Amino acid sequence: EADIYQTPRYLVIGTGKKITLECSQTMGHDKMYWYQQDPGMELHLIHYSYGVNSTEKGDLSSESTVSRIRTEHFPLTLESARPSHTSQYLCASSDQDSGLNQPQHFGDGTRLSIL
Amino acid sequence: KNQVEQSPQSLIILEGKNCTLQCNYTVSPFSNLRWYKQDTGRGPVSLTIMTFSENTKSNGRYTATLDADTKQSSLHITASQLSDSASYICVVSDRGSTLGRLYFGRGTQLTVWP
Repeated sequence: EADIYQTPRYLVIGTGKKITLECSQTMGHDKMYWYQQDPGMELHLIHYSYGVNSTEKGDLSSESTVSRIRTEHFPLTLESARPSHTSQYLCASSDQDSGLNQPQHFGDGTRLSIL
Repeated sequence: KNQVEQSPQSLIILEGKNCTLQCNYTVSPFSNLRWYKQDTGRGPVSLTIMTFSENTKSNGRYTATLDADTKQSSLHITASQLSDSASYICVVSDRGSTLGRLYFGRGTQLTVWP
């Protein structure tokens, strides 16, 4: 299995709080991604990174922000959580040198509930 | 609009039986098609990746087929096991950007009963 870790696995928190979802990978992958997934729905890309100091917004508009200061670490932050942010957040990584046919390796996700 | 449609939405089969899941896509230009297995509460795990020139690929009891002309793929599961219960997601990648944009289906929820 791929070595990509997400913490926390579950988070229930009140509206207005600042939240940081952690994602780390030990494979030395350059590309990292954040997806949002609601039950029974497809994954939506919200952020991605090609490498250190590179971050881009994905297809789904998100009020979250990301940073990539180290290759292995790609945290996602919500400055002020709202109930509409309730969802599952999946982090993934892939090896840029292998081109477009490299599978993305996913973490087990953070299930976030905003009260 | 690039889309990936999967059928059926859900499927229940008995342990030991075979099943086939379908994926139709309209993504263009096409780069590759991936099948992922997602267990409840876990992240997706890659099963197969097929490029334009490949029309079948196996991974143990999982066999994926691809018809790039009709833009259809199927995932066949042989001699199902209880551990096969999961969501199976079809993902198509385009060649339109360096990122290799991924288009996700909503998945087929497979339940295997003893």
